[in-house]
Amino acid sequence: ETGVTQTPRHLVMGMTNKKSLKCEQHLGHNAMYWYKQSAKKPLELMFVYSLEERVENNSVPSRFSPECPNSSHLFLHLHTLQPEDSALYLCASSVGLAGDSNTGELFFGEGSRLTVL
Amino acid sequence: RKEVEQDPGPFNVPEGATVAFNCTYSNSASQSFFWYRQDCRKEPKLLMSVYSSGNEDGRFTAQLNRASQYISLLIRDSKLSDSATYLCVVNRGYNKLIFGAGTRLAVHP
Repeated sequence: ETGVTQTPRHLVMGMTNKKSLKCEQHLGHNAMYWYKQSAKKPLELMFVYSLEERVENNSVPSRFSPECPNSSHLFLHLHTLQPEDSALYLCASSVGLAGDSNTGELFFGEGSRLTVL
Repeated sequence: RKEVEQDPGPFNVPEGATVAFNCTYSNSASQSFFWYRQDCRKEPKLLMSVYSSGNEDGRFTAQLNRASQYISLLIRDSKLSDSATYLCVVNRGYNKLIFGAGTRLAVHP
């Protein structure tokens, strides 16, 4: 069983809806990530948080709004999405970002599959 | 040009075969390198790190050529359970991981 849980697993929303994706990690890690995975495309890094502070925003449109209230929880708030935003959204965590924590090992959740109509 | 390029496959091989995957990366400042495995409809998981000296983990051997910016993965004696997508990954630093699109492997009886 994964140490990173994501809810909901599946979400269908209209372009005018507001919804949120939730991620929780039970590994005691200090860094959390959002990635987007579209069919036949590489995983795209969206956001990185370290100790609840956003350290990376990879040119993501403002209709995606992340929130990290503590080091165990990460949200992705969705508003006015487009059909091309339909994808699998993967949350991940790692021990940290720097020094001995810069191991390249991310632990992923099973993802939230989003469909925008 | 994508930062990490892989042959998408699929590679269809019989059980027991040896199969090799290649990957190239464009950012010479990349710090470390990995292979991840992603099963169908599952999350990616770290398979192994890749070192310049080459490294082996059971039936899996990874190689890195920094001069050519080239990474490889060799799987010997393929098993049905090896069927998955193999993702080549580079770490730009601070665990900022850049993924290739993956190479799909299908091992058949």
